[in-house]
Amino acid sequence: KQEVTQIPAALSVPEGENLVLNCSFTDSAIYNLQWFRQDPGKGLTSLLLIQSSQREQTSGRLNASLDKSSGRSTLYIAASQPGDSATYLCAVKAAGNKLTFGGGTRVLVKP
Amino acid sequence: NAGVTQTPKFHILKIGQSMTLQCTQDMNHNYMYWYRQDPGMGLKLIYYSVGAGITDKGEVPNGYNVSRSTTEDFPLRLELAAPSQTSVYFCASSYWGGAYGYTFGSGTRLTVV
Repeated sequence: KQEVTQIPAALSVPEGENLVLNCSFTDSAIYNLQWFRQDPGKGLTSLLLIQSSQREQTSGRLNASLDKSSGRSTLYIAASQPGDSATYLCAVKAAGNKLTFGGGTRVLVKP
Repeated sequence: NAGVTQTPKFHILKIGQSMTLQCTQDMNHNYMYWYRQDPGMGLKLIYYSVGAGITDKGEVPNGYNVSRSTTEDFPLRLELAAPSQTSVYFCASSYWGGAYGYTFGSGTRLTVV
C-alpha cells in the first residue's frame, strides 16, 4: 500500500528565505507526482506535475525534483514571500485510479 | 475557464437528512473523483468515475452514492447523514486517470449536527 509522508508538518521562515518542502513515498512504482497549494478554506491549486520519467519541473520561483528510486520529491520555493503562506500537499499517482496524498506541510512566511 | 465547479460551498445538515453535492467540469475530462478531507488528514477517495455511466468505489464509500449520467456532471449523494460525514468534500477531474495531473474544485464544507 502506497504511503506518502510530508515532513515537517509545519514550517515558519522569514521573508526572503528559500523554502524546502519534502515528500516521501513508499512504493517507487509511480506514474507521476503532483504538488498542490491549499489556502485556508479553499480548494487545491496545482503547482507542478512531474512525470515518473522526469527528474524535475520548474515554474517561476518553484522547482520540484523527483528521485523515484529513493521515493522522494522536494519542492523548492526561492525567495519566499508572505503570499507563499499556505499548506503544500504532494500527491502520488500509481497504478489504478488512486491518487495518494501526503498530510501536507503548513508554511508561514513572516514579513 | 471555469474548471471544476462545486456547489454549495457550505452546508449544515441535520443527522438523518439527505443531500446532494453538485460537481460540474467543463474541460471534457473523462475521469471524475470525489474526495473528503478531514482535519490533519490527507484526502481520501470516496468514489470515482472513468466515464459516463461508469462509477466505482474508492477507499471510503460507505454512506455515499454517486451517478454519472453525463461527462460534465458527477453528483455525490449523502443518505441518512451522520456526524462522521462532517468534512470538506472535493471534486476533481482528469484525463485518463491522472496521467496529465488532476484539477480540483474549491470544495464543499459540510457540517452534520
